[in-house]
Amino acid sequence: AQKITQTQPGMFVQEKEAVTLDCTYDTSDQSYGLFWYKQPSSGEMIFLIYQGSYDEQNATEGRYSLNFQKARKSANLVISASQLGDSAMYFCAMREAYSSASKIIFGSGTRLSIRP
Amino acid sequence: GAVVSQHPSRVICKSGTSVKIECRSLDFQATTMFWYRQFPKQSLMLMATSNEGSKATYEQGVEKDKFLINHASLTLSTLTVTSAHPEDSSFYICSARDISGGAIKTQYFGPGTRLLVL
Repeated sequence: AQKITQTQPGMFVQEKEAVTLDCTYDTSDQSYGLFWYKQPSSGEMIFLIYQGSYDEQNATEGRYSLNFQKARKSANLVISASQLGDSAMYFCAMREAYSSASKIIFGSGTRLSIRP
Repeated sequence: GAVVSQHPSRVICKSGTSVKIECRSLDFQATTMFWYRQFPKQSLMLMATSNEGSKATYEQGVEKDKFLINHASLTLSTLTVTSAHPEDSSFYICSARDISGGAIKTQYFGPGTRLLVL
């Protein structure tokens, strides 16, 4: 069974600093996808970044990058130059296989607070 | 980008009544939709996978007779909480996957429905 672990329940970071949110996963599948979502207080889930298990390059999307270390089964999210609007819950998630019916499982989340 | 809508955004109901939540993919077709439940300060827990034209697949521990799912078309899935009780109060989020062109990287989420059962 797949499992996602986020060990940081909460983090405080100074504005403009970079921040790394940790995520480790466990799966016996060779083919899987890893996601990061942001959830502000409004509740909406905002897709940030995706990494496929066979992708050789680490994914990047603007200020977001995913530090993918396959052997260690980690997929940490790095936010560069943090902004006040980055304050939110962040969820790491994983989907095994690439079928349309394969489900996404979420980690417990990390609450990120940016200090001005 | 693709958009998923949910209706209603929030609902308050009396204990014992049934509540229907709609999830629509607005500009793409979704053969599969997913229903999640999120309690305060907790993560999203998958309740069931909704398949167009067939029965939903429920996760372990989720009562299929209590949480009725219907996926009547490629753009609409509904979740009905039957005989709702206060412990069913939660944030319900649906999700759909756009697989057009073979790309299934992104799963889009609806804005969620806050259910409060009195």
